[in-house]
Amino acid sequence: GAGVSQTPSNKVTEKGKYVELRCDPISGHTALYWYRQSLGQGPEFLIYFQGTGAADDSGLPNDRFFAVRPEGSVSTLKIQRTERGDSAVYLCASSLSRLWTAQETQYFGPGTRLLVL
Amino acid sequence: GENVEQHPSTLSVQEGDSAVIKCTYSDSASNYFPWYKQELGKGPQLIIDIRSNVGEKKDQRIAVTLNKTAKHFSLHITETQPEDSAVYFCAARAGTYKYIFGTGTRLKVLA
Repeated sequence: GAGVSQTPSNKVTEKGKYVELRCDPISGHTALYWYRQSLGQGPEFLIYFQGTGAADDSGLPNDRFFAVRPEGSVSTLKIQRTERGDSAVYLCASSLSRLWTAQETQYFGPGTRLLVL
Repeated sequence: GENVEQHPSTLSVQEGDSAVIKCTYSDSASNYFPWYKQELGKGPQLIIDIRSNVGEKKDQRIAVTLNKTAKHFSLHITETQPEDSAVYFCAARAGTYKYIFGTGTRLKVLA
């Protein structure tokens, strides 16, 4: 079946602009995560959804970042007034969230490479 | 805050040799430790994981060990092949959903 998909795969924008990054999780996965990966670093937690609600958004760096998941499936990460420091790969992952079973595995999408000029 | 340290940052081995990557975590409440392989332009892919109630797990050429007392865990790849070349990340999860990742190890298997 289809894995996690993310669009666009690449996004180039100018400083100060608004961007939206989309994540389509695996069908039926209730848990959805957003991570940010800077060059040469591991993924850094941004936000976690369980269903439609953001259970933990403590990783969002500031109030320019916001994410939604209105129907408990597709999620959109929104960045306002982009800054050059926002340039990174934004990864989405989903899981069935059945802990202590093989179904807790996180499946990652290919990421969106964001470049802010 | 929670932290996961990973070493080495780069590792070159001859084809057929073994590779070992080590991670140390800070949060003693961590209960789940996955390892991911990331190839260029792709997202991380789970290759093996271990839970806190187990000390060792093996899957063909890949094994992971966990020392809860010392708060470290290791990935072992035996009989390495060129296709094993990639960046490997360890991660630790405390609670039910928050994963802290290491900084990655770039493994190069020389043919």
